[in-house]
Amino acid sequence: QKEVEQDPGPLSVPEGAIVSLNCTYSNSAFQYFMWYRQYSRKGPELLMYTYSSGNKEDGRFTAQVDKSSKYISLFIRDSQPSDSATYLCAMKGKGMDSSYKLIFGSGTRLLVRP
Amino acid sequence: SAVISQKPSRDICQRGTSLTIQCQVDSQVTMMFWYRQQPGQSLTLIATANQGSEATYESGFVIDKFPISRPNLTFSTLTVSNMSPEDSSIYLCSVEGLLTGDTYNEQFFGPGTRLTVL
Repeated sequence: QKEVEQDPGPLSVPEGAIVSLNCTYSNSAFQYFMWYRQYSRKGPELLMYTYSSGNKEDGRFTAQVDKSSKYISLFIRDSQPSDSATYLCAMKGKGMDSSYKLIFGSGTRLLVRP
Repeated sequence: SAVISQKPSRDICQRGTSLTIQCQVDSQVTMMFWYRQQPGQSLTLIATANQGSEATYESGFVIDKFPISRPNLTFSTLTVSNMSPEDSSIYLCSVEGLLTGDTYNEQFFGPGTRLTVL
């Protein structure tokens, strides 16, 4: 079983829609949760960073962490064609191999249609 | 956040040769990492670059193939040695632990180096 599971998509939505991206994880030791956006042929860009459970909002983006369910979400309001990218969830804590490193989901490809 | 630059941004190399990728950060950082991302895939950690000591390699990666240097808190290099077409990938530098600002626990990535081996 992978430590982090993420639906690869692609997810296609019309402009203006609310987008929900999700990841589940199995390791209860994870404490730091991040969402990265990666445009084609570019490096990942850190979008949201959350420590432990709760919500965090930044403009059109909201990150939610539910540690009891081992489930994290990224919501994008009023989606724009410029949001079309691959979104990677990532988390950090003491891993199953006892190391302390960032573990990535496989990424969800999002397409926002004009 | 940190501004990270990588050189070269892309290269096409012949089988059996080596390429050194440079990573420069505009702020001092505690941690520097090297990742590989193959087409359509997520990121795989190659190693953690340690200042003043040998890098810490992940399972499946060895120093002879991917020698790493980190002479100070803002610079690191990754060499891909004796390349084969299977080494064609994007190589990404990443940093954590900025010593200035309030983003100490956040991890940032460079723009990547796109390597094609013929």
